[in-house]
Amino acid sequence: NAGVTQTPKFQVLKTGQSMTLQCAQDMNHEYMSWYRQDPGMGLRLIHYSVGAGITDQGEVPNGYNVSRSTTEDFPLRLLSAAPSQTSVYFCASRGPGTAPQHFGDGTRLSIL
Amino acid sequence: KNQVEQSPQSLIILEGKNCTLQCNYTVSPFSNLRWYKQDTGRGPVSLTIMTFSENTKSNGRYTATLDADTKQSSLHITASQLSDSASYICVVTLSGGYNKLIFGAGTRLAVHP
Repeated sequence: NAGVTQTPKFQVLKTGQSMTLQCAQDMNHEYMSWYRQDPGMGLRLIHYSVGAGITDQGEVPNGYNVSRSTTEDFPLRLLSAAPSQTSVYFCASRGPGTAPQHFGDGTRLSIL
Repeated sequence: KNQVEQSPQSLIILEGKNCTLQCNYTVSPFSNLRWYKQDTGRGPVSLTIMTFSENTKSNGRYTATLDADTKQSSLHITASQLSDSASYICVVTLSGGYNKLIFGAGTRLAVHP
């Protein structure tokens, strides 16, 4: 049972660099989301998708792009990394109705 | 403003003891409330879900309660084990649309032998 798989697990970037965080799920879930987790704060929604080809902004979307070309994959792109984007990023997927979110194990990103 | 507040921020207990974690929320319109467990270096995992009409839900040694009138929830852990050391996150879902989730900052529990 792979569930939600995130890569890489750790990454260090320099300010201004770009990169893509990968997320894949094998549960055929329509709903997928990206969150960031910062110390002392609850998870905050960056972007989400309700199905292939459909994405929308969450609470903190600035500096990030997403796309959803397949049901399985939902990559998150940092366009020009800034120190304020240092965080732990979680991808999640869920089934319909009140189904719980299934989270990946996160990508720990440091921007120098 | 939709908010979820958890207390305490951190807690240390001895193995075998019980503990109770608190969650207060000001979220509307309310759909459901979940408790998640997050082990260090891992993603959160759902423990329980409660809707408006439910006031208690158990999952093994974990028992969650919900008072929709006072907008309070608690998570009680019985006979704690070392493996219970984790962060516990209270999450309230708004009804309608995408079912937006409001996350608490979590309570970090350490169980010592």
